[in-house]
Amino acid sequence: AIQLTQSPSSLSASVGDRVTITCRASQGISSALAWYQQKPGKAPKLLIYDASSLESGVPSRFSGSGSGTDFTLTISSLQPEDFATYYCQQFNSYPHTYTFGQGTKLEIK
Amino acid sequence: EVQLVESGGGLVQPGGSLRLSCAASGFTVSSNYMSWVRQAPGKGLEWVSVIYSGGSTYYADSVKGRFTISRDNSKNTLYLQMNSLRAEDTAVYYCARPMVRGVFHHYYMDVWGKGTTVTVSS
Repeated sequence: AIQLTQSPSSLSASVGDRVTITCRASQGISSALAWYQQKPGKAPKLLIYDASSLESGVPSRFSGSGSGTDFTLTISSLQPEDFATYYCQQFNSYPHTYTFGQGTKLEIK
Repeated sequence: EVQLVESGGGLVQPGGSLRLSCAASGFTVSSNYMSWVRQAPGKGLEWVSVIYSGGSTYYADSVKGRFTISRDNSKNTLYLQMNSLRAEDTAVYYCARPMVRGVFHHYYMDVWGKGTTVTVSS
């Protein structure tokens, strides 16, 4: 089964900072990767799909890139509401699985 | 408005059973893929199961043979029957809708419920 490894596991940053989170797949997954944001006590929210496409309604400061095995989520200028945990997720049509990375907790410095 | 509302969580003893429900509004469950994702306390997200619009079902290895996903089209509701529960099944269980996105027609979870908590303990 494909595994997703995120780095770092946690990150401290300040409002206005540019932040990058990495997700590495154990084998090539083309561009079948999404990024989700989860705030404490809330359900995850889809931010990015197909590695680089912005979900409707998501601020443009969020961007994604990568293909194959290495992917990144970038927040260009951190806002107070962006402090949350971020997960990458891949869709695999065979076998039919939806694997999540272990998460990256973004905290205020 | 598109919405998912889970129910049925609670405290159950190891080896026991529980059935979770997920009532959908604003769209038709039977015409969509539907999934369950769980999150153990303080841990990350773990995909549990999916049912496709055609009725095919798939499970994570950790629950295969113990959990069953199903739907009631007349009630527009998704279910997760959980048997032989273990302490490690303790989690918040989310209902989510995988929806096709992009030119490659991959599926990503665009709608989520607020979750229902399952605690397996004696």
